[in-house]
Amino acid sequence: QVQLVQSGAEVKKPGSSVKVSCKASGGTFSRDSFNWVRQAPGQGLEWMGRIIPIFGTPNYAQKFQGRVTITADESTTTAYMELSSLTSEDTAVYYCARDQKLELKNWFDPWGQGTLVTVSS
Amino acid sequence: QSALTQPASVSGSPGQSITISCTGTSSDVGNYNLVSWYQQHPGKAPQFILYDVNKRPSGVSHRFSGSKSGNTASLTISGLRAEDEADYFCCSYTTTSTYVFGTGTKVTVL
Repeated sequence: QVQLVQSGAEVKKPGSSVKVSCKASGGTFSRDSFNWVRQAPGQGLEWMGRIIPIFGTPNYAQKFQGRVTITADESTTTAYMELSSLTSEDTAVYYCARDQKLELKNWFDPWGQGTLVTVSS
Repeated sequence: QSALTQPASVSGSPGQSITISCTGTSSDVGNYNLVSWYQQHPGKAPQFILYDVNKRPSGVSHRFSGSKSGNTASLTISGLRAEDEADYFCCSYTTTSTYVFGTGTKVTVL
C-alpha cells in the first residue's frame, strides 16, 4: 500500500519561494508518477505538474511554467515541488498525488495529507 | 487549459439519484476515456471513486456510476445517503499530456 507523507505547513513572504516535500513509501517509486495539485481556500482543485522519477523530466501546467519546479530523489523516495515568486494568490493547500501513467493508470491514488502554504506579509 | 465545467451545486433527498455533469472539450474529455472522479469531505484530501469514465475501484459503493457522451462525462449517485454529502471533482487527461480538473460540485443531501 503506497503512502504519501508531506512536509508541514509554511508561512512565506510575498516574492519568496516555498519547497514542499512528499515522501513515498510502499510502492515502485521510480516508475510511479508524482503529481502536484493545489486548492485555494474554498476553491477547486488545480493540477500543477508531475514527474516520473525514472525519466526525470517534469511536465507542467502552462499556468505555472517558469515558476514551478518539480523534482524527485530516488535515493530517498521523495518528490518535491518548489514554487517561486509567491503572491497572496498562491495561498493554498498543496497536495501530492500518485498516478501510474506507465501502467496506464491515469488517476490519482493515493493523495498526501496536504500542506498549507500561506503567503502573507 | 481551462477547467472542466461542473454545476456548482446539486442536491437530493435520501434515496434519490443525482447526476453531476463534467463538460470539457475535444482536447480532454472528448479525446480519451481517461476521466476520473474524486470525492472530498471538508478538511480532507480528495479520494478517487471512479476511473476510466465508469470503473469503480475496490471498496467504492456500487451506488456510484459514471458515463460519457462526447465532451461530457457524468457521475451518478444512486440511493443518496447522508455520507455522500461532499464536494465532487472530475478530472481528465489531455492531449498535451497534462491533467485538468473540473470546477467542482457541492452535493447536499436534503
